[in-house]
Amino acid sequence: DAGVIQSPRHEVTEMGQEVTLRCKPISGHNSLFWYRQTMMRGLELLIYFNNNVPIDDSGMPEDRFSAKMPNASFSTLKIQPSEPRDSAVYFCASSRRGNTEAFFGQGTRLTVV
Amino acid sequence: AQSVTQLDSQVPVFEEAPVELRCNYSSSVSVYLFWYVQYPNQGLQLLLKYLSGSTLVESINGFEAEFNKSQTSFHLRKPSVHISDTAEYFCAGAYSSASKIIFGSGTRLSIRP
Repeated sequence: DAGVIQSPRHEVTEMGQEVTLRCKPISGHNSLFWYRQTMMRGLELLIYFNNNVPIDDSGMPEDRFSAKMPNASFSTLKIQPSEPRDSAVYFCASSRRGNTEAFFGQGTRLTVV
Repeated sequence: AQSVTQLDSQVPVFEEAPVELRCNYSSSVSVYLFWYVQYPNQGLQLLLKYLSGSTLVESINGFEAEFNKSQTSFHLRKPSVHISDTAEYFCAGAYSSASKIIFGSGTRLSIRP
């Protein structure tokens, strides 16, 4: 298996633009997680899904952030409109079940200027 | 509530010296414990895990961790560190009563020559 695949690896965008981050989890995994990592705040869980259903989105910072999982092999994290303080590395991870070993993607480094 | 605590945000050590990175978890009847490593500009990778059985678990690069139920700890140790061990290390716990894996805040290990 190729592991968790995230795209793009790097994204630079202007403030106010819409940004969409993509994730393909490992086949057969039922749980998917979106994390954000910054120097100031460390690793933060934004939202996670079990069997494509959002379970807990309490970590989503604002209404500008939204996440979807239309099927078991694809998820998106969208920021609209983006702001400079959204600059961070965004990780996607998947696991067989929510409370088992998680496998991480390589991350998307987002820079909003 | 379930929690995982890493007491040290940064640990500087000299090359070839021993190191211990501390991790404590909230007590639970059933918990799986993990250590993840994040090298610069990369995603998190699983270093080692405790599921059941022997309380001492080892990684392929010389790290080990011991599950200590009485002290609710899962400290990570290495008898002699190398420059290549420079990274951030995350302790994580998966509780049977929770639907997600819980991460500590991370410990940055810096190795001085």
